[in-house]
Amino acid sequence: KAGVTQTPRYLIKTRGQQVTLSCSPISGHRSVSWYQQTPGQGLQFLFEYFSETQRNKGNFPGRFSGRQFSNSRSEMNVSTLELGDSALYLCASSEVTRFSTGELFFGEGSRLTVL
Amino acid sequence: DQQVKQNSPSLSVQEGRISILNCDYTNSMFDYFLWYKKYPAEGPTFLISISSIKDKNEDGRFTVFLNKSAKHLSLHIVPSQPGDSAVYFCAARGNRDDKIIFGKGTRLHILP
Repeated sequence: KAGVTQTPRYLIKTRGQQVTLSCSPISGHRSVSWYQQTPGQGLQFLFEYFSETQRNKGNFPGRFSGRQFSNSRSEMNVSTLELGDSALYLCASSEVTRFSTGELFFGEGSRLTVL
Repeated sequence: DQQVKQNSPSLSVQEGRISILNCDYTNSMFDYFLWYKKYPAEGPTFLISISSIKDKNEDGRFTVFLNKSAKHLSLHIVPSQPGDSAVYFCAARGNRDDKIIFGKGTRLHILP
């Protein structure tokens, strides 16, 4: 099985711009979660999508949004970029079954630099 | 409000000795606890998990202990090997919303 694929791997934007990141989950996984990793804050939960619906949301401003398509692929968007948005954005997929532990499978991340 | 806390940003251990990574949590509604390992430029990879109804789970060199009364869990690595040098994240899953919350991570250095 192919792993979780995130594109682009690296990107540089300037303040005020917007960015869209893409994530293709493992085949058969219907849950996709997004996390932001920064040096001082570890992995912070952004949101989770399951069957095209946002099921959970973290404590991020409305500039951060996402969506999931019928094939489980997901995108996240950040509008009006700020310097503090520079981070590694990680996508993770998981199976959601009655007996699953919620184990997440992560992609390699998209490294966003805001100048 | 940080629900999963890893209070040690870094830890150095001699090769061959035991590495003990600690994690505290505040939410008694977590039903699963997980440990992830992360190398630079890679995504985190799952290491080991434990259900809230158990107090120990072992997988090879890795053992996780859960103390529910203290809201504390620890990951033991015995013996520590050079390839264990990485950042380790403790995570917990809510039993109502399935949301998985991570700690800030502990960087483990295995010394030769």
